[in-house]
This record gives sequence, structure tokens and C-alpha cells, in this order.
Amino acid sequence: EVQLVESGGGLVQPGRSLRVSCAASGFKFDDYGMHWVRQAPGKGLEWLSGMSWNRGTIGYADSVKGRFTISRDDAKNSLYLQMNSLRPEDTALYYCVKDRVAGTFGVFDSWGQGTMVTVSS
Amino acid sequence: DIQMTQSPSTLSASVGDRVTITCRASQSISSWLAWYQQKPGKAPKLLIYKASTLESGVPSRFSGSGSGTQFTLTISSLQPDDYATYYCQQYTSYWTFGQGTKVEIK
Repeated sequence: EVQLVESGGGLVQPGRSLRVSCAASGFKFDDYGMHWVRQAPGKGLEWLSGMSWNRGTIGYADSVKGRFTISRDDAKNSLYLQMNSLRPEDTALYYCVKDRVAGTFGVFDSWGQGTMVTVSS
Repeated sequence: DIQMTQSPSTLSASVGDRVTITCRASQSISSWLAWYQQKPGKAPKLLIYKASTLESGVPSRFSGSGSGTQFTLTISSLQPDDYATYYCQQYTSYWTFGQGTKVEIK
């Protein structure tokens, strides 16, 4: 069974940094593209960043480009999102998401339960 | 960037009703469109990909159609478990979600 478990969220002051992590299990992690998607309280879904299985493609939404960095450690079956220069509008539930098909970079089929990040002074 | 626009934003329907949600892309995305269902406090669930392909385990009352810029999600006979928020998503140029359509009890 695929499991994605996010961690590292919390309360952080504006302008500070935070790294959220995702521990993956139940599938061959290094064969799959992975993503981060967030959802502000009461709002819709926003794709933030994705990294292909071979690290050949990395993408960012305009809203986080230059501030957030995605990375993965295949030996640890883990995905990370380093978030710098955080703003109050970054307050959201951050989901770790897996691509549906190995070796592709497309549809999302598995989601974690999310880790909450609150940016406030 | 490709923008995705869903309509309506909210839909009130009764059990047994046929429900249709529309999603429009700001430019052609061929058939690279997915639909997700999200219930309160839960992560989204993939329903349909490539515009009309049903994900394994999803009830056949769900169907998707369209190509290019216009897409629809149809629930043929609404069930109590279907009250949720539905999102479309394009995946041809990075990824973009629609703003969501909440299906409420009438």
C-alpha cells in the first residue's frame, strides 16, 4: 500500500525558512515523479513544485519560484520542500503527491494527509 | 500559464440527480485533463484522467468527456457519498487546478 507521510510543518514568522519532508513507502520511490501541492484554509488546490523520477525535469509555480526548492533522496525514499522567505499567504496544508505511472510526469494518484504550515508573527 | 475555469462554483442537487460540471482551459490541452474528488478533511482522490479514463475502483456513474479547451465531469445518478468538492486539473504544461465545484445537498 502506498503511503506518503508529511512532516515538518508548524508556525513560522514571516521571512523565515522551513523545510517540510515526505516519507514514502509501498512503491519503488525512485521510479516515480513527485510533487508538492498546497491548500490554503477554505481554498482550492495549488500545485507548487514537481520533480521527475530522474531529476531531469523540475518545475515550480510562479508563486514560489525563487523561494522554494524541491529535492529528493531516493536512498531514504523521501521528498523535501525547502521554503525560504515565507509570507503569510504561504499559510496552507502542504501535500506530498505521487505520479500515477512510473517513468512519467503527469497525473497524481496518491496523496499524503498533509502538513500544516502557518506563517504569522 | 494555462488557466482552468470551472463552473458552477457550487451546485445543489438531490440523490439520483444527473450532475454535470464544466471545466474550460485557457488554451488547448488536448486530452491532458484529470478530475479529482475531495471530501472535507481528506486528501483529494483521482477519479478520471486523460479526460475520460476512469481510475481503477471509481464507480461507473462517473464519466468524463471533452478535448481541447472544454471538458465535463458527469455523475449519472448522484449518491450520498458523492457530496464533495470536485477539481479539474491540466497536466500538459506543468499543472494547474480549477477553482473547484462544491456539490451540495439540495
